[in-house]
Amino acid sequence: EVQVVESGGGLVQPGGSLRLSCSASGFTFSSSGMHWVRQAPGKGLEYVSAISNNGGSTYYADSVKGRFTISRDNSRNTLYLQMSSLRAEDTAVYYCVKMDSSGWSYDYWGQGTLVTVSS
Amino acid sequence: IQLTQSPSSLSASVGDRVTITCRASQGISSYLAWYQQKPGKAPKPLIYAASTLQSGVPSRFSGSGSGTDFTLTISSLQPEDFATYYCQQLNSYPLTFGGGTKVEIK
Repeated sequence: EVQVVESGGGLVQPGGSLRLSCSASGFTFSSSGMHWVRQAPGKGLEYVSAISNNGGSTYYADSVKGRFTISRDNSRNTLYLQMSSLRAEDTAVYYCVKMDSSGWSYDYWGQGTLVTVSS
Repeated sequence: IQLTQSPSSLSASVGDRVTITCRASQGISSYLAWYQQKPGKAPKPLIYAASTLQSGVPSRFSGSGSGTDFTLTISSLQPEDFATYYCQQLNSYPLTFGGGTKVEIK
């Protein structure tokens, strides 16, 4: 059974940092592109960042470029999102998402982890 | 690439035919996916490549379109279909989502 489980969310002050982790199982992690998608309270879905299967390519939304860093450890089947210079508008549920093998769709989503940026 | 979904919300009854549209600001071929989200839950994949149903998705769901104009149709709305629906383009980075369409009970 495919599982992706996020952790690391919590309350952080504006300007602070936080690292999210996503533990994956049930599929060949090293063969899969992985993404982060977020959803602010009561709002729609927003793509945040993506990383290729071997970590060689990374992509970011303009809203987080220069502040967030995506990475992965294929030996640990784990995806990361390092977030710095956090702002109130980064408050959201962050989902770890698996891209399907063809790149046509996300096929598995985690349950999400809530990040709250507030003083 | 911007995706514009319409309507942003709709009220419908069980058994109704429902159509949601998604328009891309530039051509995206068939690189479009649809997701269903219920309150407090992660989105569920419904359709990929504009018209291909994900495994296990009921046949009352269908997708069509290519280029810039796409539709998601529910042929006969069921109680479990009341949710918010999102389109997503996967043609180029940054990937983007539509604003969502909330389907409510009339």
